[in-house]
Amino acid sequence: DVKVTQSSRYLVKRTGEKVFLECVQDMDHENMFWYRQDPGLGLRLIYFSYDVKMKEKGDIPEGYSVSREKKERFSLILESASTNQTSMYLCASSPIVISGNTIYFGEGSWLTVV
Amino acid sequence: QKEVEQNSGPLSVPEGAIASLNCTYSDRVSQSFFWYRQYSGKSPELIMSIYSNGDKEDGRFTAQLNKASQYVSLLIRDSQPSDSATYLCAVNDSWGKLQFGAGTQVVVTP
Repeated sequence: DVKVTQSSRYLVKRTGEKVFLECVQDMDHENMFWYRQDPGLGLRLIYFSYDVKMKEKGDIPEGYSVSREKKERFSLILESASTNQTSMYLCASSPIVISGNTIYFGEGSWLTVV
Repeated sequence: QKEVEQNSGPLSVPEGAIASLNCTYSDRVSQSFFWYRQYSGKSPELIMSIYSNGDKEDGRFTAQLNKASQYVSLLIRDSQPSDSATYLCAVNDSWGKLQFGAGTQVVVTP
């Protein structure tokens, strides 16, 4: 089975802190994604990556950056956390053709910024 | 206008009844459509995919697609308390990206 592992399930950070959310997948997938999920807004794409060191902005990239130094690892970085970034963050991976039946999600990381 | 629209609910359904969920999308070129179920605090899990106009049945679930009307629906027959969850509609858009709706919360009441 494909496994997408998010290193932190629950985090509480202070406003202004730098936050790293790590994601690792074990199926040699080309694509990796970071979404955030808020009530009433569904999943919104922050960034995605289709190859090592490659990244593309999603729908809501402001306030975030990403890093993909190795194929299996995709990190989401909040340079200076703010309270409006309190959310649930989902990492996902897929093979080169992105499709709803080939995308695999991690368990989610719940971030609270105080 | 959002790419993928769903009623947020909650949709309250008596146990044993049919739950009907609707989804509309804006990109006429979309070819692939998906329904995910998400339990509270968990990640989404795929329950149905549909690519052609018409109905597709899988157990108690039926997906219906009408590309001319840009409409996809999900029916859950014989609803069970375990079906209580949020159901997300997702569409592959013309750029190949996966666009999600906001989700419909379903509550099955005993």
